[in-house]
Amino acid sequence: GENVEQHPSTLSVQEGDSAVIKCTYSDSASNYFPWYKQELGKRPQLIIDIRSNVGEKKDQRIAVTLNKTAKHFSLHITETQPEDSAVYFCAAQSNYQLIWGAGTKLIIKP
Amino acid sequence: EPEVTQTPSHQVTQMGQEVILRCVPISNHLYFYWYRQILGQKVEFLVSFYNNEISEKSEIFDDQFSVERPDGSNFTLKIRSTKLEDSAMYFCASSPQGRTYEQYFGPGTRLTVT
Repeated sequence: GENVEQHPSTLSVQEGDSAVIKCTYSDSASNYFPWYKQELGKRPQLIIDIRSNVGEKKDQRIAVTLNKTAKHFSLHITETQPEDSAVYFCAAQSNYQLIWGAGTKLIIKP
Repeated sequence: EPEVTQTPSHQVTQMGQEVILRCVPISNHLYFYWYRQILGQKVEFLVSFYNNEISEKSEIFDDQFSVERPDGSNFTLKIRSTKLEDSAMYFCASSPQGRTYEQYFGPGTRLTVT
């Protein structure tokens, strides 16, 4: 079955700098890769996603890249702000289910 | 903007008791899911549901678990005889027709089994 690995588990960056979170997946049949942001005690919120026919997608300060050959995808946040502090999860779709990474705690230092 | 809702927000129960967690998916969505997240760990898939039947389930979703759509709006998860290790946050999610990949999550129910 699908397995998703996510790194790093914790990422601390200075406010205004960029943050990059990386994920790898194992099932070459997966074709949809969402990223969720989860603030403490709250629901995961879909922030950006990418389908396998696209290599990159951008939405304001957030971008996602996908390398299907290498089976990895990354989240890029530029000009980080305090409100970006949260846990970020990558996921890969396998049939009807999302297989999740272990999460990255992003800390934005003032 | 419509959202998935869940009740209760927190449920405390004794080991061996039955619990029912309730969800109201987004009104025009047709695919429904349950996930759980043990504190500090990743989100894990439990089950997906479409057209009044289970379409996929994980190894976690054993005979102690069941799902039901009792009416046109609610989607429930029942745990028949709770165990300590069932303590977790349970999230319901839903997807629109033709876009099973877009899953929108409810706020979760924190289940504590004592």
